[in-house]
Amino acid sequence: GQNIDQPTEMTATEGAIVQINCTYQTSGFNGLFWYQQHAGEAPTFLSYNVLDGLEEKGRFSSFLSRSKGYSYLLLKELQMKDSASYLCAVRVSTYNTDKLIFGTGTRLQVFP
Amino acid sequence: DAGITQSPRYKITETGRQVTLMCHQTWSHSYMFWYRQDLGHGLRLIYYSAAADITDKGEVPDGYVVSRSKTENFPLTLESATRSQTSVYFCASRLAGGLETQYFGPGTRLLVL
Repeated sequence: GQNIDQPTEMTATEGAIVQINCTYQTSGFNGLFWYQQHAGEAPTFLSYNVLDGLEEKGRFSSFLSRSKGYSYLLLKELQMKDSASYLCAVRVSTYNTDKLIFGTGTRLQVFP
Repeated sequence: DAGITQSPRYKITETGRQVTLMCHQTWSHSYMFWYRQDLGHGLRLIYYSAAADITDKGEVPDGYVVSRSKTENFPLTLESATRSQTSVYFCASRLAGGLETQYFGPGTRLLVL
């Protein structure tokens, strides 16, 4: 079966660094996405990793280790507007399917 | 550029009624998806479509029907609504291809009484 785990909630202080972990056990792995979702809004794309290593995009970075089934999203210089849920999603591709499987999301609260 | 839209944005219905949620995208994306989002479950895939007239089941398809006669539209029908189908429904679309991300519509909040 497909299983994706991430912490339910995290808290951090404005200006700090936070790391949100995601572990997965899936068949047909073909990449890992991170999305941000503010309360009452739709998810928006943050990053995509298909090869091992670190992808950096401004204050946000994402890391993938395919051998360990592990990814993390690193948020630096936290701002109040970063308070949101962060969704880890694995792309599963087989001969007859190509879809994303989502984790339950990590709700991040940033305090002043 | 309208992108991806959903209608209605809010809907209240009663148990046993048929409800159709609409999804429309203007990008000519080949793939379209329907998810439901519930507390404690995250986003769960209901149905998806790789192209017009091609649809496939996701994780939680029971009680739902989809069709895709045109590339830009992907309606989701609850044939006989149940209280357990109270949820937020998101439609998404993307191009075919390995590096393409999904773009989500604004969501439809459905309450079944």
